[in-house]
Amino acid sequence: TQLLEQSPQFLSIQEGENLTVYCNSSSVFSSLQWYRQEPGEGPVLLVTVVTGGEVKKLKRLTFQFGDARKDSSLHITAAQPGDTGLYLCAGDVYNFNKFYFGSGTKLNVKP
Amino acid sequence: DSGVTQTPKHLITATGQRVTLRCSPRSGDLSVYWYQQSLDQGLQFLIQYYNGEERAKGNILERFSAQQFPDLHSELNLSSLELGDSALYFCASSSPPKDTQYFGPGTRLTVL
Repeated sequence: TQLLEQSPQFLSIQEGENLTVYCNSSSVFSSLQWYRQEPGEGPVLLVTVVTGGEVKKLKRLTFQFGDARKDSSLHITAAQPGDTGLYLCAGDVYNFNKFYFGSGTKLNVKP
Repeated sequence: DSGVTQTPKHLITATGQRVTLRCSPRSGDLSVYWYQQSLDQGLQFLIQYYNGEERAKGNILERFSAQQFPDLHSELNLSSLELGDSALYFCASSSPPKDTQYFGPGTRLTVL
C-alpha cells in the first residue's frame, strides 16, 4: 500500500481537454510537491505547496493542497501534447523523517 | 538542468557483479537521496544522507550500501547483482528549510 495514492493511474485525452489528477493520503504532510517525469529522465519539480488550502497556478496548471494537508490535486486546462509525461506527487509526512512518492499518473495527450 | 549530476549515465554488467553509482548534489545542498525506479514503476526511496550521516532508510536491500563523502558527493554501491536490479537509479539533493528535492538525470543499470 502506497502512503500517497494517485488517481487515475493512466489518462489518455485529446489535445484541448481539461483533466485533474488526485493525490490522496491518510497522513498529514508538512509539504507536498508535484513533479513531471519524461521517459528515461529524472523528475522535474513543478510546484511545492505547504499551507492547507493553498492554490498555486503555473500557466495552465493549477495545484491545490487540501485544507487538512492530506491530499492534493493537479488540474491542467486545455492540455497539449507537450504535457505528456508521468506526474508524481511527493511529500514529507509531518513529524516523520521520510519522503514519499506517489505511484504516478501517466498522462498521454493526443494531438 | 537541476544542478545534480550522476555518473555513469548507462551501466551494463552481469549478475553477481558489483557496481558503484556516483552523485554530485547541487551546490550548497547537504542532503542526498537515492531512489530506484524499475520499468513502469514509481520511485522507490532507498536512502538519504545529510552532511555525511545517514538520515533515513527506505526499502534498501542489504546488498546495497551508500555513503556521503566530506565534499558531499555520494556513492551507491550495488553488489551481488541480480537481474531484478535492472532499473533507473536516481539521486536527488535538497537543503532546508523546504527540503524540496532536485533530481539528477539518473543512471540506467542493466544486469544481464
